[in-house]
Amino acid sequence: SQQGEEDPQALSIQEGENATMNCSYKTSINNLQWYRQNSGRGLVHLILIRSNEREKHSGRLRVTLDTSKKSSSLLITASRAADTASYFCATYLGPGGTSYGKLTFGQGTILTVHP
Amino acid sequence: EPEVTQTPSHQVTQMGQEVILRCVPISNHLYFYWYRQILGQKVEFLVSFYNNEISEKSEIFDDQFSVERPDGSNFTLKIRSTKLEDSAMYFCASSEVYGIGNQPQHFGDGTRLSIL
Repeated sequence: SQQGEEDPQALSIQEGENATMNCSYKTSINNLQWYRQNSGRGLVHLILIRSNEREKHSGRLRVTLDTSKKSSSLLITASRAADTASYFCATYLGPGGTSYGKLTFGQGTILTVHP
Repeated sequence: EPEVTQTPSHQVTQMGQEVILRCVPISNHLYFYWYRQILGQKVEFLVSFYNNEISEKSEIFDDQFSVERPDGSNFTLKIRSTKLEDSAMYFCASSEVYGIGNQPQHFGDGTRLSIL
């Protein structure tokens, strides 16, 4: 089974519009993180939401987490051309068992913001 | 802002050759990771490393792979006998706090490994 699947796979919007990306996962998690990747660059951490949190904000970013549905969404408000990038959710299962620091990434959403 | 740096940015190697990818994690970080991303696919976890030993490794990280922290600043990934399927972007990451994973992992810009 796949842990961390984003949709849509690609999203194209105009500057100023909001962008919403979704992530679903299969197993119980400790936290879920969103990362951005500009073309040819590494991943940049955006926001972390713990399993006991439902919503978190950071600047123009809003993340929600629904553990009953095993899903999360990332909302970018008032998008800018500079937001053009790939966005990945990553789940952390928690200490112990078979997971010590390992992040499991989704396939990602490619966001294009047109000026 | 402190960064994770990786060298080289692109490595081209003949199949069967050994390759060493180098990383300088953020200086006060204690936990180190390698991930890889095959073109068009997900970022995949390879290994985590703490206190000079491997904490966790994936099924990808077989006997051909090894990691080392040869001094106080570098963290390396070695592939002993490269295969065509090892072609990928390899990312190093580091973090301040391990275990509960409540700190972000900071990634370098990656080394693109091309096996011919």
